[in-house]
Amino acid sequence: DVKVTQSSRYLVKRTGEKVFLECVQDMDHENMFWYRQDPGLGLRLIYFSYDVKMKEKGDIPEGYSVSREKKERFSLILESASTNQTSMYLCASRSLTYGYTFGSGTRLTVV
Amino acid sequence: GESVGLHLPTLSVQEGDNSIINCAYSNSASDYFIWYKQESGKGPQFIIDIRSNMDKRQGQRVTVLLNKTVKHLSLQIAATQPGDSAVYFCAENMPNYGGATNKLIFGTGTLLAVQP
Repeated sequence: DVKVTQSSRYLVKRTGEKVFLECVQDMDHENMFWYRQDPGLGLRLIYFSYDVKMKEKGDIPEGYSVSREKKERFSLILESASTNQTSMYLCASRSLTYGYTFGSGTRLTVV
Repeated sequence: GESVGLHLPTLSVQEGDNSIINCAYSNSASDYFIWYKQESGKGPQFIIDIRSNMDKRQGQRVTVLLNKTVKHLSLQIAATQPGDSAVYFCAENMPNYGGATNKLIFGTGTLLAVQP
């Protein structure tokens, strides 16, 4: 089975900190995604990548950046964390067919 | 069914009954649809999918129905069990969205509560 691993389940960070969320997949998938999930808003796409060193903005990229230096790893960066970035962050990967596989999520709290 | 807003719609069923969860999708060009199950504290888990050239697909205890005329998707769960309690949400795939990939658009979800 495809495994998508997010390095942290829970994180608490202070306002203004730089935050790194890491995601690793083990199936050589080309496409990787970062979503945030908030009550009543569903999953919203932050950034995605369809190849190493390639990245595309999703629907809500403001305040975030990403890095894809290796095919298996896709990092989400909060340059200066703010309280409105408190959320559940979900990483997903996908092969050239359609199926998405999600990680278990990182619940980030910014205080 | 699906809804925007701060509170998830909730479907409460008795154990052993059949459950039907509904979803309205937005884009007539969407070519693929997926149902996900998300248990508390976990990431979404694939349940079943259907392509737009089909109107019904069955899995183990689950059936997805697609009505493209009214852009409606439903998930039927037979003989609902306590372990089925979770948030269920649909996703539609929009082809040719930016770069070389497609885009999934997710619904906000329905909470299924199974009463023993």
